[in-house]
Amino acid sequence: DSGVTQTPKHLITATGQRVTLRCSPRSGDLSVYWYQQSLDQGLQFLIQYYNGEERAKGNILERFSAQQFPDLHSELNLSSLELGDSALYFCASSPGTEGYGYTFGSGTRLTVV
Amino acid sequence: AQSVTQLGSHVSVSEGALVLLRCNYSSSVPPYLFWYVQYPNQGLQLLLKYTSAATLVKGINGFEAEFKKSETSFHLTKPSAHMSDAAEYFCAVSFQTGANNLFFGTGTRLTVIP
Repeated sequence: DSGVTQTPKHLITATGQRVTLRCSPRSGDLSVYWYQQSLDQGLQFLIQYYNGEERAKGNILERFSAQQFPDLHSELNLSSLELGDSALYFCASSPGTEGYGYTFGSGTRLTVV
Repeated sequence: AQSVTQLGSHVSVSEGALVLLRCNYSSSVPPYLFWYVQYPNQGLQLLLKYTSAATLVKGINGFEAEFKKSETSFHLTKPSAHMSDAAEYFCAVSFQTGANNLFFGTGTRLTVIP
């Protein structure tokens, strides 16, 4: 157990729908990162939050949004889902904003049908 | 631009043989370098990291990597492969300045032949 908790583990939904993925960081970690892993794009950085504030943004679609709450858990919202959004979505956390690498959760596998 | 290149999407070794997984990076600022392992249907686990201290970094499960600035490389090695090493391995880079998101290579799938 890495200490980073992601729910749900699996999600199957239809095109056009909206889903929310949840991440609880390791105790004491202030930064949360979201990554997407797909067969064609590999591991892509989506977005980072640090202590409730957006810190960095990567290849995140406008249909996707995220937030980090006061208790430091984070949610990734995916809307108007398309077949191509099917992927593994990972959350990671780290103590601060230094680039020392971070701890990943076990991921949420999203299947859009 | 900052990037990571992993040479060889698939590597097969015999059990007991040397494991060598290659990673080259491109960076205009001092990098932090990482190797992660992903077992089937699991998340990514940190094997080791280079953060500008010793250039030879020892990680978990007998793996090590050497940072070679002149070659812009950070290859992962293990002297003797074990069946349990079969997995996908990702090299990643982040930077000592600016945003610290990781840039990942495309991964190398390691197969260990009994």
